[in-house]
Amino acid sequence: EPEVTQTPSHQVTQMGQEVILRCVPISNHLYFYWYRQILGQKVEFLVSFYNNEISEKSEIFDDQFSVERPDGSNFTLKIRSTKLEDSAMYFCASRDGTRGGNQPQHFGDGTRLSIL
Amino acid sequence: KNEVEQSPQNLTAQEGEFITINCSYSVGISALHWLQQHPGGGIVSLFMLSSGKKKHGRLIATINIQEKHSSLHITASHPRDSAVYICAVQTGTASKLTFGTGTRLQVTL
Repeated sequence: EPEVTQTPSHQVTQMGQEVILRCVPISNHLYFYWYRQILGQKVEFLVSFYNNEISEKSEIFDDQFSVERPDGSNFTLKIRSTKLEDSAMYFCASRDGTRGGNQPQHFGDGTRLSIL
Repeated sequence: KNEVEQSPQNLTAQEGEFITINCSYSVGISALHWLQQHPGGGIVSLFMLSSGKKKHGRLIATINIQEKHSSLHITASHPRDSAVYICAVQTGTASKLTFGTGTRLQVTL
């Protein structure tokens, strides 16, 4: 079964540094998402992406965050200048969208981001 | 703003017991998802439903749209069912998910 893959599985970065989290969604999917989960808390929506643009973003997704689909397969989340509070597990998800009706989101295994 | 409440937060059961996890939400949704999160952190989709009931193996999910409530049932629970079960509601044209806090299930022998 096709999977969403995320790299790296764990990223350790100094505060203030830029970090790029990478995701390869399922190949024929059209909708892409980033979520994050701070340790011990619930999963929170960051941003959704469709047709090469952001379709919705949360209050968390401020100017320090950006997303990109640089080629036909990768979907990246960039944090420009990391803060301690950015430490979390970041999940990428994708959804088909080519067929009518609702389809489930498929999640990657996550990237654990640790800011020192 | 949609709030998603789950109960209980923690649940311990003996192998073979019937388990129910509840979820309620506050505004209209296009679908409700039940997800399973393993200790390593990975999230797996179990069910997506917008009405009625779905069954997959020993898992059953129901939803009552009028009451804004859903339940996840596990029949004949097994230690391998131990995980965090998360309810999430889908809203908006981009179908973003709003998550509950999860129910930590431990099934013992």
